[in-house]
Amino acid sequence: AQTVTQSQPEMSVQEAETVTLSCTYDTSENNYYLFWYKQPPSRQMILVIRQEAYKQQNATENRFSVNFQKAAKSFSLKISDSQLGDTAMYFCAFMASNTDKLIFGTGTRLQVFP
Amino acid sequence: DVKVTQSSRYLVKRTGEKVFLECVQDMDHENMFWYRQDPGLGLRLIYFSYDVKMKEKGDIPEGYSVSREKKERFSLILESASTNQTSMYLCASSLRGAANTIYFGEGSWLTVV
Repeated sequence: AQTVTQSQPEMSVQEAETVTLSCTYDTSENNYYLFWYKQPPSRQMILVIRQEAYKQQNATENRFSVNFQKAAKSFSLKISDSQLGDTAMYFCAFMASNTDKLIFGTGTRLQVFP
Repeated sequence: DVKVTQSSRYLVKRTGEKVFLECVQDMDHENMFWYRQDPGLGLRLIYFSYDVKMKEKGDIPEGYSVSREKKERFSLILESASTNQTSMYLCASSLRGAANTIYFGEGSWLTVV
C-alpha cells in the first residue's frame, strides 16, 4: 500500500522569503504521479504542481517548484518570494499510474507573515 | 473552468438522521470522488465512482453509501448519522486516466449533534 508523509504540521515564513515544505512517500510502483494541492482558508482545493515520476526534470510553475528525489522517495515543494495569498493548507498527494485515485498526506499549514 | 458544486456548505444534523450530501460537476467527467477531511488525518477516500451506477469503496466506506444515477451527480449518503461523522466532506471529479487533474468542490461542513 502507498503512503504519503508530511512531517511538518505547521510552517511560517515572512513575505518575500522562500519556504520549503517536505513530503515523503512509500510505494513499490515504478510509474506514478505526485502532486501538491493548496487549500486556502474557506476556499476550495486547487492543484499547485504535478510531477510525473518518469521525468527527471523537476516541475516548476512560476514561484512554485519541486525537488523530486525518486530514489529517496522525496517530493518537496519550494515557494519562492512568498506572498500573503500563499497562506493555506498544502497537501502532498500520490497517484499510481494504474489508478485514478489520489492518496493524500496529512497536510502542512503554511502561514505567510507581512 | 471546471466547476464542482457541493449543494450544502454547512449542515447540522441530529444523531440517527439520514443525511444526503450532493455534488454536481459540469465538465462531463467520468470519475467522481468523496473524501473526508479531518485535522491531522488529511483527506481520506470514502467512495469513488468511475461511471454512472459504478462505485468502488475507498479507505473508509463504513457508515456511508453513494449514488450515481447521472454522470454529473454523485451523492454521499449517511444512513444513520453519528457524532464521529462530524467532518468536512469534499467532492471531486476528473477525467478517466491517472494523468488528469482532480478538481475539488468547496466542501461541506457537517456537524452531527
